Formats: sequence, structure tokens, C-alpha cells
Amino acid sequence: AQKVTQAQTEISVVEKEDVTLDCVYETRDTTYYLFWYKQPPSGELVFLIRRNSFDEQNEISGRYSWNFQKSTSSFNFTITASQVVDSAVYFCALSEANAGGTSYGKLTFGQGTILTVHP
Amino acid sequence: SQTIHQWPATLVQPVGSPLSLECTVEGTSNPNLYWYRQAAGRGLQLLFYSVGIGQISSEVPQNLSASRPQDRQFILSSKKLLLSDSGFYLCAWSVMERGTQYFGPGTRLLVL
Repeated sequence: AQKVTQAQTEISVVEKEDVTLDCVYETRDTTYYLFWYKQPPSGELVFLIRRNSFDEQNEISGRYSWNFQKSTSSFNFTITASQVVDSAVYFCALSEANAGGTSYGKLTFGQGTILTVHP
Repeated sequence: SQTIHQWPATLVQPVGSPLSLECTVEGTSNPNLYWYRQAAGRGLQLLFYSVGIGQISSEVPQNLSASRPQDRQFILSSKKLLLSDSGFYLCAWSVMERGTQYFGPGTRLLVL
């Protein structure tokens, strides 16, 4: 069975600090997808990134960066120079895929990390 | 562009009353559709998913049901609500080839 673990329940930082959110996953699939979502206080989940298991290149998007390491089954998310607007719950998720690499779309979510950025 | 709508935004219902939550998607055809529930302070639990009209798969046994009467409409129902049905209900859609799910604004349900 698939499992996603976000060991950090809550993180509190001061604005401009860098912060890393950890995500460890378990799956028997050789082909899978990993995601990060942000849930601001309004409640709607906002898609941040999708990474497939074939591609271990790290990715940077503005202040956000992601470190995917298959050897340790981790997909960590770093926010550089955090801002108050980054305060939210962040979810890591894992998706099943068939042998052709097409995702069925069923997501297994971690329990989320509550990030609070203080001014 | 694609948009997803959910209503109502907030609902307070007595125990034992029926429930109907609606989700509609615009700007895409034949999407996969999903219903999730998020209890307070917890992660998301997949309740139902659908790959086409009339095709519903249930992930968790409960007193809820889902239906997909039209291609871009997904309905979550219950005949008799329980206190434990309280939570935040999120609808999502995806295109199978890409797999990324996009979520609606959610419905907050409080059963008293």
C-alpha cells in the first residue's frame, strides 16, 4: 500500500528565513507521481508541483525548490526567504500509475505540515 | 481555461437529515472526478472517484454515496447524516494523461 509521511506537524519561522518541508513516501510501484499542494486559510488546495518517478532533477520556481531523491524515497520542499503569505498547510501526495506511466489520478496524501511565517 | 465549482460553500445540517453537495467542472471534457473529505486538522481522505458518467468507485465504506449524472457534474449524497460526517468536502478533477488533480473551493459541513 502507498503511504506518505510528513513528519513535521507544525513549523514556525520568522519572515526571510528559509524553511524545508519534509516528505517521505512508500510505494511498490516503479512508476509514480509526486505532488505538493498548498492549502491557505481559505481552504482550497492549490497545486504547486508534479514530479514523475523517472525524473530526479531538482526543480526551482522562484522562491520554491524541490529535492527529489529516489534513494531515500523523499521529496522535500524548500521555501527560500519565506514571506507571511507563505503561511498555509502544505501537503505532499503520491499518485498511482500504470505500467505506461499514465497516472490513474488517485492521490494518497500526507497529513500535512502547518507552516506559520511571522513578520 | 478550466474552472471547478462547488456549492454550497457552507452547510449546517441536523443529524439524520439528507445531504446533497454538488460539483461542476467547466472547460474540459470527460474529466476524472473525485470527492475528498478533510476532518479538522487532518489530511485528505478520498471518498469516491469517477472516470465517466455513471461510473463511481468507492474508497471508504460509509453512509455517503456519489453520482455522476452528467459528464462534468459530480454529486455527493447521504440519506441520513451522522455527526462524524462533519468536515470539509473537496471536489477535484483531473485529466488522466496528466494526473494532476485540481481542487474546488470546498464545502464546509457541520452536522449538529
